Amino acid sequence: DADVTQTPRNRITKTGKRIMLECSQTKGHDRMYWYRQDPGLGLRLIYYSFDVKDINKGEISDGYSVSRQAQAKFSLSLESAIPNQTALYFCATSDSGAGEPNEQFFGPGTRLTVL
Amino acid sequence: AQSVTQLDSQVPVFEEAPVELRCNYSSSVSVYLFWYVQYPNQGLQLLLKYLSGSTLVESINGFEAEFNKSQTSFHLRKPSVHISDTAEYFCAVSEWGSQGNLIFGKGTKLSVKP
Repeated sequence: DADVTQTPRNRITKTGKRIMLECSQTKGHDRMYWYRQDPGLGLRLIYYSFDVKDINKGEISDGYSVSRQAQAKFSLSLESAIPNQTALYFCATSDSGAGEPNEQFFGPGTRLTVL
Repeated sequence: AQSVTQLDSQVPVFEEAPVELRCNYSSSVSVYLFWYVQYPNQGLQLLLKYLSGSTLVESINGFEAEFNKSQTSFHLRKPSVHISDTAEYFCAVSEWGSQGNLIFGKGTKLSVKP
């Protein structure tokens, strides 16, 4: 079984709809991240969470919100989707620890299309 | 602010040829450096990393990268590529004291042709 799972894998929706993307992990990691990937732009960080009570905005948080329901679950919401939010969304996890950064483990991605 | 530049968006190469994917970074403090690989229709996987110590780091599948502090570079190389190396490669940097958050480059698509 995959360590980091994302649901749904594909979603087509209309402008103005509320959308939730879900991420679950079985790696026991404290840290979880949401990125979006656009062709030619690489990955950009939307939100990150270092534990259930610690949520932080990333580079491009406008138009998004998140919820850390449990250590293993981190969901991303688009309250009112717009076409320029069409992208590939990745969840990632990493272990916590002081000093050197730990490897981030990525889910398979959710392809979101907003019409 | 830190940034990562991958100068080549696409690199086509023939099988068994050498390849170099370039990565330069900008930061006012010391950094940790990473290369991630994304195979078609998959998430990213860590390929190799430089945290400290030897400036030359290697992956299990024959890639290597060298941290050059004076040139602020972390280029990825492989002496002989395989068809299976076809993927998109992302360079990433994390600044000391940034809690481990990564800044990614825009990616380089490596296409290996027979």
